[in-house]
Amino acid sequence: EAGVAQSPRYKIIEKRQSVAFWCNPISGHATLYWYQQILGQGPKLLIQFQNNGVVDDSQLPKDRFSAERLKGVDSTLKIQPAKLEDSAVYLCASSPTPGLNYEQYFGPGTRLTVT
Amino acid sequence: GDSVTQMEGPVTLSEEAFLTINCTYTATGYPSLFWYVQYPGEGLQLLLKATKADDKGSNKGFEATYRKETTSFHLEKGSVQVSDSAVYFCALSGSSNTGKLIFGQGTTLQVKP
Repeated sequence: EAGVAQSPRYKIIEKRQSVAFWCNPISGHATLYWYQQILGQGPKLLIQFQNNGVVDDSQLPKDRFSAERLKGVDSTLKIQPAKLEDSAVYLCASSPTPGLNYEQYFGPGTRLTVT
Repeated sequence: GDSVTQMEGPVTLSEEAFLTINCTYTATGYPSLFWYVQYPGEGLQLLLKATKADDKGSNKGFEATYRKETTSFHLEKGSVQVSDSAVYFCALSGSSNTGKLIFGQGTTLQVKP
């Protein structure tokens, strides 16, 4: 079974530029999560999708971040314009269904550096 | 709100030493508790979990017991190996009931031969 795929793996941009990340979850997984992991910290949830609907985006900085999940499968996360403090690893995870007991499967992440 | 606190790292041990990484949590209701591990150059992967009080999660020689009375979920291993060198994250899935994970800050473990 293929794991969660993310691209690109690394991205370097200047502040005020825009950037987009792509995630392909495990086939059949209804729930998709985007987390932000700043160096030295644990991952923090940005947004959660159930199929193509948003379940939780309470910690997404909506003035600059946006995300969508096309047809309930792939997802893209966009930052426009980027700030220095957006430098982090962006992790995508998926699970079969939301709930307390279902394991989340994580992709390798995209490391973003904003200069 | 819900939160997780882990012991500060890095933790440096010799091979075959005993490992404890402390984790305490704050949550309303009855969260599920997890340990995730991130090996160098790899993604996060689930190490073990416990879903109710007094449950013990175990995997690859690691164990953790869900202690509701002390709100703790400490990770232990009796004899660590060099291959256990990684970053360990304690996490909970709690009151929101959406499966959302709240992570601690991570503890780096380095095992020397």
